[in-house]
Amino acid sequence: EPEVTQTPSHQVTQMGQEVILRCVPISNHLYFYWYRQILGQKVEFLVSFYNNEISEKSEIFDDQFSVERPDGSNFTLKIRSTKLEDSAMYFCASRMGQGSLFFGSGTQLSVL
Amino acid sequence: ILNVEQSPQSLHVQEGDSTNFTCSFPSSNFYALHWYRWETAKSPEALFVMTLNGDEKKKGRISATLNTKEGYSYLYIKGSQPEDSATYLCAFSDDYKLSFGAGTTVTVRA
Repeated sequence: EPEVTQTPSHQVTQMGQEVILRCVPISNHLYFYWYRQILGQKVEFLVSFYNNEISEKSEIFDDQFSVERPDGSNFTLKIRSTKLEDSAMYFCASRMGQGSLFFGSGTQLSVL
Repeated sequence: ILNVEQSPQSLHVQEGDSTNFTCSFPSSNFYALHWYRWETAKSPEALFVMTLNGDEKKKGRISATLNTKEGYSYLYIKGSQPEDSATYLCAFSDDYKLSFGAGTTVTVRA
């Protein structure tokens, strides 16, 4: 069964460092998303991506964040200069059209 | 920020009992309402996507209803089993984006 894969499963970084979270969406999906969940809080939307460009982004997704789909397969989230408050579980998701999201298993990011 | 509210935040159910809980969402710019189940240490898994007012969907012992005019959806679990223990998330879709509620965490006691 096709699935969304995310790497790494855990990432520990120092404040101010750049991190890249990687995702491989399901191959025939067209819409791609990043969400995050800070411990004890609700799942928060970061960004949606369609047709090789950002279709919508939240207030959280400031200039420190960027997304790329460099090769038609991977979908990456880059945080340029991490802050303590970026510590969260980051989920990648994809979907074909307007149906259900398929989530990856997440990357737990810890910023020290 | 779209206000998607779920209540209660958590509930405990005795095995074999039935239960239900609510998701409320904006009634304007509605496209779809999603339900996901999120088990500990796993990623959210899709249960239902509903688009039409009055929609009812069923998957085994779990079912959901949708009222888009008043902006709410109910999720029902009939004859709860320990494997139903999870956090149930609803998400409101207005176009590209899904906005999630905080979830209802269900614990089924044997």
